[in-house]
Amino acid sequence: DQQVKQNSPSLSVQEGRISILNCDYTNSMFDYFLWYKKYPAEGPTFLISISSIKDKNEDGRFTVFLNKSAKHLSLHIVPSQPGDSAVYFCAASANFGNEKLTFGTGTRLTIIP
Amino acid sequence: DVKVTQSSRYLVKRTGEKVFLECVQDMDHENMFWYRQDPGLGLRLIYFSYDVKMKEKGDIPEGYSVSREKKERFSLILESASTNQTSMYLCASRGGGTDTQYFGPGTRLTVL
Repeated sequence: DQQVKQNSPSLSVQEGRISILNCDYTNSMFDYFLWYKKYPAEGPTFLISISSIKDKNEDGRFTVFLNKSAKHLSLHIVPSQPGDSAVYFCAASANFGNEKLTFGTGTRLTIIP
Repeated sequence: DVKVTQSSRYLVKRTGEKVFLECVQDMDHENMFWYRQDPGLGLRLIYFSYDVKMKEKGDIPEGYSVSREKKERFSLILESASTNQTSMYLCASRGGGTDTQYFGPGTRLTVL
């Protein structure tokens, strides 16, 4: 049972445009969400996170939006750059500080120069 | 700077062999994790440890065991490797009071 879903396996976006990556979850106990970025042959690196008490968190070109009623979050990258080409995973945890993260299946983002 | 290292980047083993994957972190983190990453399945948690000599099963522990004798080191053991254990294995660590996990570079294991 996939509790965190990324329904788009891949996404291509023109350089300079906005990239929007989506993530849906089913477990209403999840209250903390993270996005990780992964280049080939490297481990995932933390990108940005959001607590369920917020609906938006911004860090430079990256913004995460959370819609709790829809159990949906999205990552916006503006403007998209070639170095953003990577696989993006969303992850969720129930109760801040809980040991476990549940990851989605990932979306491969390709930025076209 | 945060550092998680894994003993091998690439490993090729034969069916039935015992395989050890080592992970070391230098951040004095209490929590350490082993995941495997497969295409279309994302990262799946195999085992985690929240303290020395403590371990908890993750979502897919079958065929694996772990060892944590020292705080900085977390080992994943495949007692008898099988071809369906061919995968990318990722180790991560996390300090207390945060949900952010820091990952190592991964070990790509091929079982023939």
